[in-house]
Amino acid sequence: AQSVTQPDIHITVSEGASLELRCNYSYGATPYLFWYVQSPGQGLQLLLKYFSGDTLVQGIKGFEAEFKRSQSSFNLRKPSVHWSDAAEYFCAVGAEEYGNKLVFGAGTILRVKS
Amino acid sequence: DSGVTQTPKHLITATGQRVTLRCSPRSGDLSVYWYQQSLDQGLQFLIQYYNGEERAKGNILERFSAQQFPDLHSELNLSSLELGDSALYFCASSAGEAEQYFGPGTRLTVT
Repeated sequence: AQSVTQPDIHITVSEGASLELRCNYSYGATPYLFWYVQSPGQGLQLLLKYFSGDTLVQGIKGFEAEFKRSQSSFNLRKPSVHWSDAAEYFCAVGAEEYGNKLVFGAGTILRVKS
Repeated sequence: DSGVTQTPKHLITATGQRVTLRCSPRSGDLSVYWYQQSLDQGLQFLIQYYNGEERAKGNILERFSAQQFPDLHSELNLSSLELGDSALYFCASSAGEAEQYFGPGTRLTVT
């Protein structure tokens, strides 16, 4: 069965500090990988995606993620967090073999302290 | 703004009732996906349509149904509503590749 694990429910970082949000997946097909961000009361905004090729992908708002096939991971990073980054972050996996439906992790709530 | 629109934004209704949620995909996108977000289940895929045809089904209850019309907008119909159906319902669209763009969601409250 396809599954996505985000082991951290909450993370608190200081403004200006670096950030890494973890994501591990279990998927029976070659996956597409995504990170989405959701602010309170808002929809999901696509931060970045990995389909193939370079395993380090750049996204919007200064975020990047690295695909590590051997570890089945797709961790999200940002070198310097801003207060406006406080939100909930979702890792998602899809595959053409499964009709491209997305399987989401449970989400990680990021708090930024000043 | 993703370009995906959903109406209404909020919906409050009573148990046993029936509601219809509407989604307009981004211009040119042929695929529409419906997802449910609840506190206990998280984000769950419900159903996908591609150019008017049902393409994939997920954890969608028999009380729920959907369709995609010739103009590519989609409707999700929820009937015999129960308290547990209270959730955020998202629509997403894509142009055929896996990248999906989400609408702002419809928050359904069943009382």
